[in-house]
Amino acid sequence: QSVLTQPPSVSGAPGQRVTISCTGSHSNIGAGYDVVWYQQFPGTVPKVVIYGNTNRPSGVPDRFSGSNSGTSASLAITGLQAEDEADYYCQSYDSSLSGWVFGGGTKLTVL
Amino acid sequence: QVQLVQSGSELKKPGASVQVSCKTSGYTFAFYSLNWVRQAPGQGLEWMGWINTYTGNPTYARGFTGRFVFSMDNSVSTAYLEISRLQADDTAVYYCVREASSRWDVWGQGTTVTVSS
Repeated sequence: QSVLTQPPSVSGAPGQRVTISCTGSHSNIGAGYDVVWYQQFPGTVPKVVIYGNTNRPSGVPDRFSGSNSGTSASLAITGLQAEDEADYYCQSYDSSLSGWVFGGGTKLTVL
Repeated sequence: QVQLVQSGSELKKPGASVQVSCKTSGYTFAFYSLNWVRQAPGQGLEWMGWINTYTGNPTYARGFTGRFVFSMDNSVSTAYLEISRLQADDTAVYYCVREASSRWDVWGQGTTVTVSS
């Protein structure tokens, strides 16, 4: 049972917009700790696509965006492409646990 | 450039121990903490804890106390993860990750540990 809750899977057709939610609590996202989103392809190291809730590292397409509201965060991907098919994880810090926490991961399928 | 290079894959029998190394380069080892992350086959990312590379003090996440030990050798800019009394469910990829100002910015390539009789 992950501290941050993500849907196990989402899907969308090429060109569509999808969102992945990450639900936390008042001791992590709700406490104002930053959320990071990772993209991971099978057999590879996770890669940051969003850091500091809304910031994109250089090289990440502007089709990726992050937002927060209360105790939840969301990753939105617009103009979906086949190459976006991957697992996505959210991460934040939790003050009750005094450590980092992850969501369980969401598998994005491009139809 | 900053690099974290981990040791190679390991195949161990239940009850044995394993040590995973994380050799860093391209920066001052003591200035950045290192985190450890586990990813079991087909599963998500789990934070195992971190080591303060300035003091050598380790901190373990819940579920990673007792059999897991973080250590380091400043003279070779290397951190270590040792797991004792290995069990089948320790089979996973283990990552070391550098932390800079509360951001995880560089990952090791991962070390696969397989526990099987």
